[in-house]
Amino acid sequence: RKEVEQDPGPFNVPEGATVAFNCTYSNSASQSFFWYRQDCRKEPKLLMSVYSSGNEDGRFTAQLNRASQYISLLIRDSKLSDSATYLCVVSAAGGTSYGKLTFGQGTILTVHP
Amino acid sequence: EPEVTQTPSHQVTQMGQEVILRCVPISNHLYFYWYRQILGQKVEFLVSFYNNEISEKSEIFDDQFSVERPDGSNFTLKIRSTKLEDSAMYFCASNEVSGGDDGYTFGSGTRLTVV
Repeated sequence: RKEVEQDPGPFNVPEGATVAFNCTYSNSASQSFFWYRQDCRKEPKLLMSVYSSGNEDGRFTAQLNRASQYISLLIRDSKLSDSATYLCVVSAAGGTSYGKLTFGQGTILTVHP
Repeated sequence: EPEVTQTPSHQVTQMGQEVILRCVPISNHLYFYWYRQILGQKVEFLVSFYNNEISEKSEIFDDQFSVERPDGSNFTLKIRSTKLEDSAMYFCASNEVSGGDDGYTFGSGTRLTVV
């Protein structure tokens, strides 16, 4: 089983649509969870951290279910500028793991007019 | 906003040559990392560095790889004898704390092409 698994897509949606991405992780010792965004041939950029209580940042909502080892990202009212690859990222910090990030393959989103 | 700086942005080298990729992490950060991303594949962890020593490394980080923080500001990745399969984007990252909820700041990367 892959350490972090995502549906690679691509997701092609019209402007204004709501789109949801899912991710599962295999290491139950994981402690920190993130969604990163990566534009073509650029570095990953932190979109938001994910907490068990769920968190929202404008049009973006992230959820974490530790029991199911499942993470989600919801994007409402999609904009053209949201087109990117969305990376599910997990960290098992603590002990001998100095915050190493484990990345999923990424989900490609294309928002069209 | 503070940023992680990487140089060069693109490096072309012949197979078997040594390359050094350079990074200047954010000044108050204590944890430093190298990741790589082969074209079309996921971002992969190479090595973490803390308190002037390697704290963790992946299977990819074999004897051909080394890291150094020579002067308290630069953080370098050296590949001694490059192979074709080393062609990838190499990202440096830094963080103030290990595994913090603020995530990591990545540099813009060095594209390494081995020919």
